Amino acid sequence: QVRLLESGGGLVKPGGSLRLSCAASGFTFSDYYMDWIRQVPGKGLEWVSYITNGGRDTYYADSVKGRFTISRDNTKNLLFLQMNSLRVEDTAIYFCARERGDRYTSYFGPWGRGTLVTVSS
Amino acid sequence: SYVLTQPPSVSVAPGQTARITCRGENIDSKSVHWYQQRPGQAPVLVVYYDSDRPSGIPERLSGSNSGNTATLTISRVEAGDEADYYCQVWDTNSVHHVFGSGTKVIVL
Repeated sequence: QVRLLESGGGLVKPGGSLRLSCAASGFTFSDYYMDWIRQVPGKGLEWVSYITNGGRDTYYADSVKGRFTISRDNTKNLLFLQMNSLRVEDTAIYFCARERGDRYTSYFGPWGRGTLVTVSS
Repeated sequence: SYVLTQPPSVSVAPGQTARITCRGENIDSKSVHWYQQRPGQAPVLVVYYDSDRPSGIPERLSGSNSGNTATLTISRVEAGDEADYYCQVWDTNSVHHVFGSGTKVIVL
């Protein structure tokens, strides 16, 4: 059974840092691109970042570029999101998701249950 | 950047048909994917590549894509279909995934 489990969320002050983790199981992790997607509670979905299967290439939404860093450890089936210089508007539920399909037509499945990040003074 | 526009809500009586639109410039040149999100849960893929269904998704849910509009159709609507639905594409120009604004399906 394919499973994704996020952890690391919590309350942090503006300007602070947090590192999210996503533990993958039930599939060959190193074969797949992986993504982080966030959702302000009660609002829509916003794609945040993705990383290629080998970890060489990464891409970011403009809203987090230069502040967030995605990485992965294929030996431990772990995906990470290092979040620095956090802002109040980064408050959201952060989901990790497996990317599937062809490179330029890809979609997400499955998703983890998410971890809540709250940025507040 | 590429923008996908969805209606905020669609109301439908049980047994009727709900149509959720996703508008984007020349969206028919892209592959559109749809997700269902029930309250307090993670999104679940319900349609991919415009009209394919993952295993376990009922045939009542179907997708189409033409011109500037992609559509998710839910036939014979049930109470359990009440959820938020999001469309998604890959934007080659920005090298970003893009989500629609989301549509809440309300079963009357």
